[in-house]
Amino acid sequence: AQKVTQAQTEISVVEKEDVTLDCVYETRDTTYYLFWYKQPPSGELVFLIRRNSFDEQNEISGRYSWNFQKSTSSFNFTITASQVVDSAVYFCALRSTGGFKTIFGAGTRLFVKA
Amino acid sequence: GAGVSQSPRYKVAKRGQDVALRCDPISGHVSLFWYQQALGQGPEFLTYFQNEAQLDKSGLPSDRFFAERPEGSVSTLKIQRTQQEDSAVYLCASTPFNPRTGAKETQYFGPGTRLLVL
Repeated sequence: AQKVTQAQTEISVVEKEDVTLDCVYETRDTTYYLFWYKQPPSGELVFLIRRNSFDEQNEISGRYSWNFQKSTSSFNFTITASQVVDSAVYFCALRSTGGFKTIFGAGTRLFVKA
Repeated sequence: GAGVSQSPRYKVAKRGQDVALRCDPISGHVSLFWYQQALGQGPEFLTYFQNEAQLDKSGLPSDRFFAERPEGSVSTLKIQRTQQEDSAVYLCASTPFNPRTGAKETQYFGPGTRLLVL
C-alpha cells in the first residue's frame, strides 16, 4: 500500500528563518512521482514540484529547495528566508507512474510571523 | 486566463438530501480528478476521467457517490442521501495530459466546494 507521512502538523517560524518540511513515503512501486503542493487560506492547491523516482538530483527554485533521498524514502522541502506569504498548508504527495491515484499526506501548516 | 472553477462554493444540505457539485476544468484539459478533503486532512482521491471515460472510481466511498463527465469537459459529482460524514471540501483538478504517458504534468486545482451536511 502507498502512504505519505508528514510528521509535522504545524510549524511556526519568524520571518527570514529557514524551515524544512519533512515528508516520508511508502510504496512498493519501482517507479513513481513525488509532489509538493501549497494550499493557502484561499483553499486552492498550488503545484510546486514533481520529481521522478529515478531522478535523485536535488532541486532549487528561488527560495525553495527539495531534497529527495530514495534510500530513506524521504522528500523534504526547505524554504530559505521565509516570508509571511509562505504561510499555508503544504502537502507532500505520491503517485505511481502507471496509476491515476495521487496519495496525499495530512499536510504541514506553516505559520510565518513578521 | 480562466482556471478550474467549481460551483457552488458552499453547500449546506440536510441529511438525506441529494447534492450535485459541478466542475468546469480548464478548456482542452483531457484529465479530470475529484478529491475529497476532510477538515485538517490531505485530499483523498475519489475518481478520474480521461475525456468522458471514467477510468478509475476506486476512491468513491460508497454507491451514494456518482460522477460523470458526459461530453468530456464539465463534470458533476453527485451525492445521494447525504450523510454527516460526507461533510468535506470537494476538490476538482484537471491536467492537459494523460498522466499515464509520463508527460510533464501539473494538476490545476479548483477552489473547491465546501459541503456541510446537517
